[in-house]
Amino acid sequence: GQQVMQIPQYQHVQEGEDFTTYCNSSTTLSNIQWYKQRPGGHPVFLIQLVKSGEVKKQKRLTFQFGEAKKNSSLHITATQTTDVGTYFCGGEGSNYKLTFGKGTLLTVNP
Amino acid sequence: NAGVTQTPKFQVLKTGQSMTLQCAQDMNHNSMYWYRQDPGMGLRLIYYSASEGTTDKGEVPNGYNVSRLNKREFSLRLESAAPSQTSVYFCATRTYTDTQYFGPGTRLTVL
Repeated sequence: GQQVMQIPQYQHVQEGEDFTTYCNSSTTLSNIQWYKQRPGGHPVFLIQLVKSGEVKKQKRLTFQFGEAKKNSSLHITATQTTDVGTYFCGGEGSNYKLTFGKGTLLTVNP
Repeated sequence: NAGVTQTPKFQVLKTGQSMTLQCAQDMNHNSMYWYRQDPGMGLRLIYYSASEGTTDKGEVPNGYNVSRLNKREFSLRLESAAPSQTSVYFCATRTYTDTQYFGPGTRLTVL
């Protein structure tokens, strides 16, 4: 079945440093979605990428979808303590189900 | 507009006990999902319901049953709880833009 690998599993940064998490799918995706989960909370939708090579920005967050639609990345510029949480990617294949990566836990030292 | 609600928020069971986790949505979404989340394992799909009256197995269905009672409600039942089912359970719906809207979760401990 479809597998989505996400790295790194953990990332600790100093406030102001950049952060990147990567997702790779074993199959071509129809779209990829990113979610953020604060400690003790539930996943909250951030963004959806649909087109090959697509790049989207949300303030300090930059999301990319690979040309082959099998990989994606989330980059945060100049992290803040409010960025703390686990970031998940979810890849959708042809069956309308999302397969999630295991997530990257980001901690930020003020 | 409450979105997705889940009850209970917390539950402690003894091995062998049964219980039903409830999920309800008021967004008129067709598809609903049950996930479990374990440390280091991400979100794993247990069951989903593409529309009222249909249910399908996900990645980890063993030990669980589901009921799509109507368009609003999708329940998850543990017939004989086991310690391996200790987890956080999330219900989610599929929005009109094909993204997922999650409920607040149920934290279940099986002793």
